Amino acid sequence: GAVVSQHPSRVICKSGTSVKIECRSLDFQATTMFWYRQFPKQSLMLMATSNEGSKATYEQGVEKDKFLINHASLTLSTLTVTSAHPEDSSFYICSAMTGIDGYTFGSGTRLTVV
Amino acid sequence: AQSVSQHNHHVILSEAASLELGCNYSYGGTVNLFWYVQYPGQHLQLLLKYFSGDPLVKGIKGFEAEFIKSKFSFNLRKPSVQWSDTAEYFCAVNGGAGNMLTFGGGTRLMVKP
Repeated sequence: GAVVSQHPSRVICKSGTSVKIECRSLDFQATTMFWYRQFPKQSLMLMATSNEGSKATYEQGVEKDKFLINHASLTLSTLTVTSAHPEDSSFYICSAMTGIDGYTFGSGTRLTVV
Repeated sequence: AQSVSQHNHHVILSEAASLELGCNYSYGGTVNLFWYVQYPGQHLQLLLKYFSGDPLVKGIKGFEAEFIKSKFSFNLRKPSVQWSDTAEYFCAVNGGAGNMLTFGGGTRLMVKP
């Protein structure tokens, strides 16, 4: 089936630095990818919709200058958390639309900002 | 805007007990409905989905869900749970433009052996 590979799985960074998270569709082309954030013991909250070759669509309340999304190819979308702060610590998950199951999810990235 | 509500936040059952997790959504148009499971330390996996047709949907691992349009509900059921079903379960809806999924708050299920 369709597989989405997300890296890194865990990252610890210093406050003020930037972190890039990659999401790759391994055996299919993903025109649209989604980025979610999951706080501990809470549900997934959609941050943005990433469309190949165009600007991402951000959900209300998500800072586009802080969470930079690039979807330059049909198999890769990246999320860069710029000038990270401890409150950005969270679990970030990407997802891509597929034709069979509807959506497939990456394994997530646990970001800890110290 | 669409929204999804899962009524039970935490459920504790003994093995062999029956399970029903509630899910209600709000959206006036045609929807696609999903249940996902997230085992500890793992990523989301699709349990089952409803796009159209028979409102009783059978998924993996003995799970099923029934779409009741009049009640805007898509409850998840399993006749006899196992310890290995301990996980978090998310109901999700896709309706309208954008194709994004809206998730419910999740239900954390613990099955006691």
